[in-house]
Amino acid sequence: DAGVIQSPRHEVTEMGQEVTLRCKPISGHDYLFWYRQTMMRGLELLIYFNNNVPIDDSGMPEDRFSAKMPNASFSTLKIQPSEPRDSAVYFCASSLGQGNLGGQYFGPGTRLTVT
Amino acid sequence: SQQGEEDPQALSIQEGENATMNCSYKTSINNLQWYRQNSGRGLVHLILIRSNEREKHSGRLRVTLDTSKKSSSLLITASRAADTASYFCATVGYGNNRLAFGKGNQVVVIP
Repeated sequence: DAGVIQSPRHEVTEMGQEVTLRCKPISGHDYLFWYRQTMMRGLELLIYFNNNVPIDDSGMPEDRFSAKMPNASFSTLKIQPSEPRDSAVYFCASSLGQGNLGGQYFGPGTRLTVT
Repeated sequence: SQQGEEDPQALSIQEGENATMNCSYKTSINNLQWYRQNSGRGLVHLILIRSNEREKHSGRLRVTLDTSKKSSSLLITASRAADTASYFCATVGYGNNRLAFGKGNQVVVIP
């Protein structure tokens, strides 16, 4: 398996623009997670899905952020409009089964810079 | 919400030495996990210990868990330059699939 795939790897955009981050989880995994990592705040869980259904979006910063999972092999995280404080590395991760007993598998991340 | 907190924050050691990192958390857990992150990369799962376990080994890794003190430690024996990375602990509570990560330990192994 290729592992979790994220695109793009780097994104530079101007304030106010829409940004869409993409993720393909490991085939067969039933959980998908979106994280944001910054030096100041560390690694934060934004939202997670189980069988394509959003379970917990309490970490989504505000209405400018939205996430979808239209099928088991694809998810998007959208920021509209983007702001400089959204600059961070965004990770997607997937796992199998309740309790994360097999651990989570992380993608390489998307480094977002909003100017 | 529960959150791991590693201590110390940064560690610099010579190749061949052992590296020990600690993690504390606040609430009851289902399991605790350790991850490694190399610079510019995603996190990699290293080892998981369940709440009813006290010690676990995987290769050069040894993790302990003390639920009475709500703490865990990760020991890397005979460190190598390739072990240079950030190490995070993360906890999972009962009835949910959230991983609550600590702030991470930066470990530098000097060849």
